[in-house]
Amino acid sequence: GDSVTQMEGPVTLSEEAFLTINCTYTATGYPSLFWYVQYPGEGLQLLLKATKADDKGSNKGFEATYRKETTSFHLEKGSVQVSDSAVYFCALSEGGSNYKLTFGKGTLLTVNP
Amino acid sequence: DARVTQTPRHKVTEMGQEVTMRCQPILGHNTVFWYRQTMMQGLELLAYFRNRAPLDDSGMPKDRFSAEMPDATLATLKIQPSEPRDSAVYFCASGFLGGHEQYFGPGTRLTVT
Repeated sequence: GDSVTQMEGPVTLSEEAFLTINCTYTATGYPSLFWYVQYPGEGLQLLLKATKADDKGSNKGFEATYRKETTSFHLEKGSVQVSDSAVYFCALSEGGSNYKLTFGKGTLLTVNP
Repeated sequence: DARVTQTPRHKVTEMGQEVTMRCQPILGHNTVFWYRQTMMQGLELLAYFRNRAPLDDSGMPKDRFSAEMPDATLATLKIQPSEPRDSAVYFCASGFLGGHEQYFGPGTRLTVT
């Protein structure tokens, strides 16, 4: 079945540091890929998405590129802020008539001033 | 700014009591999902609906959990009887046919003592 593997956290960075959170997936077809973010005490919010190979999703300074050859969708940001502290989830959807999302376990990011 | 709403936000109850959680999906969305989040298990899909019809509830303990959509503006998740192991945050999410991203509500934090 489908699966998503994220790097284990927690990740602790200083403000303005470069961020990478690794995500790899296993899927039988051509899934859509997503990054969601969960701030403390809140629900998950869609951060960015990519629907086909080589697509780059971007939002709020975060980027991720759909790499079919390496089955990866790594999240990056050039300069993190304290306000980026949250849990980040990588997810995939097989698409078609299947609307289920398969989530990774989440990576806790803490950014210190 | 359309949002998924959930009530109550917090619920504390005693073991054996019935618990009902409610969700109002975003107007026009026709897929609704229920998730449970715990530290140990992460994010688990319990059930989901399309056009108010249940499509998959394989993640839900059938003997005590039930999920329904009485109309397009209301989804309910009921636990009867509740047990301490049901303590978790329960999220509702909605989406629309043709898109695969999901929009999450703020969650109901359930504590069963």
